[in-house]
Amino acid sequence: DQQVKQNSPSLSVQEGRISILNCDYTNSMFDYFLWYKKYPAEGPTFLISISSIKDKNEDGRFTVFLNKSAKHLSLHIVPSQPGDSAVYFCAASQGAYSWGYQKVTFGTGTKLQVIP
Amino acid sequence: DGGITQSPKYLFRKEGQNVTLSCEQNLNHDAMYWYRQDPGQGLRLIYYSQIVNDFQKGDIAEGYSVSREKKESFPLTVTSAQKNPTAFYLCASSPRFGLAEPLQGDTGELFFGEGSRLTVL
Repeated sequence: DQQVKQNSPSLSVQEGRISILNCDYTNSMFDYFLWYKKYPAEGPTFLISISSIKDKNEDGRFTVFLNKSAKHLSLHIVPSQPGDSAVYFCAASQGAYSWGYQKVTFGTGTKLQVIP
Repeated sequence: DGGITQSPKYLFRKEGQNVTLSCEQNLNHDAMYWYRQDPGQGLRLIYYSQIVNDFQKGDIAEGYSVSREKKESFPLTVTSAQKNPTAFYLCASSPRFGLAEPLQGDTGELFFGEGSRLTVL
């Protein structure tokens, strides 16, 4: 049972344009969401996060939007750069006591290719 | 520099052999985790440890074992009982234990090592 879904395995975008990566979740108990970026043969690195009390969080070129009623979040990258080419994982966690132990559920990832 | 070090980066094993993957962190983090990544799948949690001398099974613990004798170290043993051990293994850590809410500026992120690729021949 995949509780966090990234239905697009890959995405190609022209440099300078917007990249939109989508993520859907089924568990209504999830209350904190994160995006990680991963290059081949490396560990994921944290990109941006959002709490369920917000609907938007912005950090430079990266913005995450959360639609709780639709159980959907998206990551916008504007403008996209070739260095953004990587696999992006959506992740979700739950519970008031999750901060000591991050019981995190990951999506399957979306491979973004930014074409120069 | 602070970080998480996994070794070896690449490992080959014959069927029936146990193998131990090392994970060391100097971030002074309380919690440590092992994840497995397979093609087309998300990261799946194998084991986690919230504190020294304590660890819990994750979603796919069968065929694996861990220990947490020191705060800095969380080795993973892939035993011969693991039916499909070929995968990319990721160790991670997170800083805090037992807080009900994040502190100001705490992103709740996991810090990952660079991974170990295990191939069973």
